[in-house]
Amino acid sequence: EVQLVESGGGLVQPGGSLRLSCAASGFTLSDFRMTWVRQAPGKGLEWVANINEDGNEKNYVDSVKGRFTISRDNAKSSLYLQMNSLRADDTAVYYCARGTAVALWGQGTLVTVSS
Amino acid sequence: DIQVTQSPSSLSASVGDRVTITCRASQGISNYLAWFQQKPGKAPKSLVFLASILQSGVPSRFSGSGSGTDFSLTISSLQPEDFATYYCQQYKSYPFTFGPGTLVDIK
Repeated sequence: EVQLVESGGGLVQPGGSLRLSCAASGFTLSDFRMTWVRQAPGKGLEWVANINEDGNEKNYVDSVKGRFTISRDNAKSSLYLQMNSLRADDTAVYYCARGTAVALWGQGTLVTVSS
Repeated sequence: DIQVTQSPSSLSASVGDRVTITCRASQGISNYLAWFQQKPGKAPKSLVFLASILQSGVPSRFSGSGSGTDFSLTISSLQPEDFATYYCQQYKSYPFTFGPGTLVDIK
């Protein structure tokens, strides 16, 4: 089955760090650009970052630049999002997604930044 | 950044109705526009890419159109499972941006 499964979410204090993972199965990860999208509680979708097929091109929304790092390990069929200096407004469900024009979504993982 | 707006922000419709949602980009994006459907508590579902091409498995009652700055998503005959929030997204230039969403609920 073609799917994406996120993990690593949880409760973290402001200023803390968290690393999200996304496990891909049923397809070859190295064939696709990959994307992270987030959704704050009760709000709309926000594009966060994407990475090209071999990992040497990365793009970010301004609000996370310098704090978040997207990476991938194609051999492990995994996508990552390292989140540092977390703020309350980073609280959201984070979705892993396949493609530039996203065609496949994970189920999401909730990140809560609170003291 | 390219701003994306949607109208209306919400609409009430009945099963069988024809529904059209519009999306406008603040500058030309050619046809680099996608549409997504999201139900409460669920991940989004991809409907359309390149403004008018249906993703695999999407029912033919959905259609997308437009180019440049103005786009639309039409549901030709609304079904019970179509009540949801719909988002458009431009992917012409970074950062890719989503519209604020259109809630389609039951009249």
